[in-house]
Amino acid sequence: KQEVTQIPAALSVPEGENLVLNCSFTDSAIYNLQWFRQDPGKGLTSLLLIQSSQREQTSGRLNASLDKSSGRSTLYIAASQPGDSATYLCAVKWTGGFKTIFGAGTRLFVKA
Amino acid sequence: GAVVSQHPSWVICKSGTSVKIECRSLDFQATTMFWYRQFPKQSLMLMATSNEGSKATYEQGVEKDKFLINHASLTLSTLTVTSAHPEDSSFYICSAVGTSGVAGETQYFGPGTRLLVL
Repeated sequence: KQEVTQIPAALSVPEGENLVLNCSFTDSAIYNLQWFRQDPGKGLTSLLLIQSSQREQTSGRLNASLDKSSGRSTLYIAASQPGDSATYLCAVKWTGGFKTIFGAGTRLFVKA
Repeated sequence: GAVVSQHPSWVICKSGTSVKIECRSLDFQATTMFWYRQFPKQSLMLMATSNEGSKATYEQGVEKDKFLINHASLTLSTLTVTSAHPEDSSFYICSAVGTSGVAGETQYFGPGTRLLVL
């Protein structure tokens, strides 16, 4: 069964700290992996999309890496800010299908 | 970039009524659209996959007679919650996959529709 797991479920850090969010998935035959941000009561904002052939993607203070062989991806947030407080979702699409499966998310709180 | 819209953004209805939610791809054609449901503090759960011009494929445990999906054109899919009950209250999000180009094979998500059934 194809599953996506995210740890930790929740994280609270002081402003300015660098942090890492983890995502693991079963079945390494993925098509792509995407990280999203969701603010309370809002829709999804796409942060980074990593194709199967890529090892990492960067956007500003965000860096996402992908290790298919170990079934893991990490989202690195540098110099965290209170505005980064949100839920971060990892979503995986596998080859041979259209479905995207989401992890349960990591709720991040950055304290000023 | 590819944009997906949903209408309405929120709706409150009485128990027993039916509610229709629209999902539109604004600047690309979407052969496939997905409908997700999200309960408070939980992740998105895929409900069904719809392909233009054919019947939707529902995930296990999702009642097809309760959640009617119509993908009538390459830019519009609708989800109708029939005879809604309070337990159907949730956040419904759609996504669309384009046929080619910028939106090809990448899912773009709508902003979501919050449904509250009284």
